[in-house]
Amino acid sequence: AQKVTQAQTEISVVEKEDVTLDCVYETRDTTYYLFWYKQPPSGELVFLIRRNSFDEQNEISGRYSWNFQKSTSSFNFTITASQVVDSAVYFCALSEGVISSGSARQLTFGSGTQLTVLP
Amino acid sequence: DAGITQSPRHKVTETGTPVTLRCHQTENHRYMYWYRQDPGHGLRLIHYSYGVKDTDKGEVSDGYSVSRSKTEDFLLTLESATSSQTSVYFCATENTGSTNEQFFGPGTRLTVL
Repeated sequence: AQKVTQAQTEISVVEKEDVTLDCVYETRDTTYYLFWYKQPPSGELVFLIRRNSFDEQNEISGRYSWNFQKSTSSFNFTITASQVVDSAVYFCALSEGVISSGSARQLTFGSGTQLTVLP
Repeated sequence: DAGITQSPRHKVTETGTPVTLRCHQTENHRYMYWYRQDPGHGLRLIHYSYGVKDTDKGEVSDGYSVSRSKTEDFLLTLESATSSQTSVYFCATENTGSTNEQFFGPGTRLTVL
């Protein structure tokens, strides 16, 4: 069974600090996908990134960067020079290939990390 | 983003009453999903659909049923609501051959008194 662990329940930083959100996953599949979603106070879920299991290259998008390490089953997310608008709950999720019926996929989410960026 | 709407957005109901939540999409995506979000649990899959009239159970399906009579609509029904079903419900869609990205609706906050 697949599992995603986000051990940091809450993180608080001061604006302009860098912050890393940890994500550790468990899966038996060799083909899988990892995701990060952001949930701002307004409640919607915003897709940030998708990474497949065959691509271990780190990715940078503006102030956001992701470090995927299969050796430690981790997919950590770093925000550089954090801003107040980054305050949100961040979810890491895992898709482990297909479910049995009709090739649908199940996203397994971590419990989320509440990030608060103080001015 | 896929055009996904959920209705109602907020609902308060009493224990024992039936409740139906609707998810509507305009993108013709094949797959649709219902999740619930609870503190400390992230999002958990309730039911999913892989086509019209094709549905199956997810991780937390007890007390819920679904129906999909049209590609664009996926209904979630609580036959007899209980207080443990107080939650935020999210619908998601995914296209065939997509990048495995699921697009989420805005959510429905359900309170069962």
